[in-house]
Amino acid sequence: GEDVEQSLFLSVREGDSSVINCTYTDSSSTYLYWYKQEPGAGLQLLTYIFSNMDMKQDQRLTVLLNKKDKHLSLRIADTQTGDSAIYFCAETPSNDYKLSFGAGTTVTVRA
Amino acid sequence: SQTIHQWPATLVQPVGSPLSLECTVEGTSNPNLYWYRQAAGRGLQLLFYSVGIGQISSEVPQNLSASRPQDRQFILSSKKLLLSDSGFYLCAWSEAGGGSRPTEAFFGQGTRLTVV
Repeated sequence: GEDVEQSLFLSVREGDSSVINCTYTDSSSTYLYWYKQEPGAGLQLLTYIFSNMDMKQDQRLTVLLNKKDKHLSLRIADTQTGDSAIYFCAETPSNDYKLSFGAGTTVTVRA
Repeated sequence: SQTIHQWPATLVQPVGSPLSLECTVEGTSNPNLYWYRQAAGRGLQLLFYSVGIGQISSEVPQNLSASRPQDRQFILSSKKLLLSDSGFYLCAWSEAGGGSRPTEAFFGQGTRLTVV
């Protein structure tokens, strides 16, 4: 099964907040990441969080980590049309080099 | 600066034909290298990753294989393509070091493979 799970679709109105959720299974993961993929392109790193942190804020982005439940979320404040993309959460276990991604959440911003 | 090149951008191949996708990285040494497949509705699936020349870890058993003949070259191959091999293939690299510190993965632009 998947190591990292995400909901597949999210529709949000322009100006509202978007919340994308992710669950992971490897408790040894030391870093968790959010990547963004725009249509027809590769992925780009948005932000990451260290596993001993609960929250990280970076401009319009807020990452929340619940280690007990192995739950990660990304909140985008004041969502814009340019935020329409696929968002992937990812993890790297501390004892391995592989970078595992979730299935990706397609965010559609409507006017 | 570091760059990653992946080619071709699009490819249409008949069932049963061989496959070779190439990825090269410039501006860094001893990178971790990855091949992912993105199939419609199935997200991003890790196929292979490599931490050094000749060192390949396979994540998913299938008719694909990967090789790393040089430090910054990663090749994805198949002897006989199946219809189910269609998808968007992405190569990526990251700095060596694994999960002990944050490491950003840099992706190529992808290859759209259609098996007909």
